[in-house]
Amino acid sequence: AQSVTQPDIHITVSEGASLELRCNYSYGATPYLFWYVQSPGQGLQLLLKYFSGDTLVQGIKGFEAEFKRSQSSFNLRKPSVHWSDAAEYFCAVGLSGGSQGNLIFGKGTKLSVKP
Amino acid sequence: EPEVTQTPSHQVTQMGQEVILRCVPISNHLYFYWYRQILGQKVEFLVSFYNNEISEKSEIFDDQFSVERPDGSNFTLKIRSTKLEDSAMYFCASTVGGFGNQPQHFGDGTRLSIL
Repeated sequence: AQSVTQPDIHITVSEGASLELRCNYSYGATPYLFWYVQSPGQGLQLLLKYFSGDTLVQGIKGFEAEFKRSQSSFNLRKPSVHWSDAAEYFCAVGLSGGSQGNLIFGKGTKLSVKP
Repeated sequence: EPEVTQTPSHQVTQMGQEVILRCVPISNHLYFYWYRQILGQKVEFLVSFYNNEISEKSEIFDDQFSVERPDGSNFTLKIRSTKLEDSAMYFCASTVGGFGNQPQHFGDGTRLSIL
């Protein structure tokens, strides 16, 4: 069965420090991968997506993610975190192969930023 | 930038009552989705909708749930007889195409509280 694992429930980093949020997926076909961010009381905003091609993808707000097929991973990174990045981050797999594109989400990683 | 809008932002309902959650997808989008997020848990797929019929539904989407596109703009989720465990944040999403590589645009959600 398809699944997405985000092993870190909560991460705290200092402002200006680098960030890496981990995501592993289990899916038999070609994965379509997404990272969404959710600020408190808000909906889900798309940060970036991977469909094919270059395995390093750039997103909004200075985020990037790298797809590693051999590790079934799609980790999110940012070189320097800002206080406004504090939010919850969700990794998701978009299903292909006849489905209507519904997303399978991980449980999320809550990011706290220390001043 | 066009947005998915959801109303109301917060709905409080007595157990056993019917509730209708409303969504206005982005105007040129053709595929519509409902997701649910119980407090502290991951976002879960409920149902996808295309061409005025359900395309796919999850195990969560049982007979007490229904969806409808009553006119050219609204997309509704009805819960016929609410239960305590229906308390959650409900997100509507839309996308242009129904393949897994199409990014979904999410609304800000409706927080449903069942008393």
